[in-house]
Amino acid sequence: RKEVEQDPGPFNVPEGATVAFNCTYSNSASQSFFWYRQDCRKEPKLLMSVYSSGNEDGRFTAQLNRASQYISLLIRDSKLSDSATYLCVVPNNNDMRFGAGTRLTVKP
Amino acid sequence: DAGITQSPRHKVTETGTPVTLRCHQTENHRYMYWYRQDPGHGLRLIHYSYGVKDTDKGEVSDGYSVSRSKTEDFLLTLESATSSQTSVYFCAISWGGDDEKLFFGSGTQLSVL
Repeated sequence: RKEVEQDPGPFNVPEGATVAFNCTYSNSASQSFFWYRQDCRKEPKLLMSVYSSGNEDGRFTAQLNRASQYISLLIRDSKLSDSATYLCVVPNNNDMRFGAGTRLTVKP
Repeated sequence: DAGITQSPRHKVTETGTPVTLRCHQTENHRYMYWYRQDPGHGLRLIHYSYGVKDTDKGEVSDGYSVSRSKTEDFLLTLESATSSQTSVYFCAISWGGDDEKLFFGSGTQLSVL
């Protein structure tokens, strides 16, 4: 089992839709979690941090379920500019373990 | 944007040649990292540094070495490049400790022919 696994996607949704991605992790000792966004041929950029049960930032909500060891990212009212790959990241000592990413395309 | 510069941005080289990638930061972050990104694998840590001359191996360190002689510079060297090292390489920085957020450079596309 990979340390961090994500929905493979791709997700193709219309503008205004709500879309959710899941991420499962194997390190039960992890205390913090992150979602990064990566545009095509660009570097990853931090989207959200999750330290407890969840976090909300505008249209984006991240939720953590420690018992089941998964993290979710919910995007409401999708915009064309949300099209990107979303990376789930889980710390492991001095390393950050990245999921392979979930690709989202928002269409007009 | 965090002040991180990677050079070169693109590099094409031949198998068996040495290659050095450079990462330069202006933010005075203690931690610096080198990752590679390949389709289907996500980003994987090659080496990281937690201070000047303090480095350690990551998940995929074989075939790579690093050096950090100054806070602002972190070099990644492929002593003898192989085709399996064709990848996109990202440098990242962080404060470390309780602040685990990573800030990435723009990446280097390396092709080994």
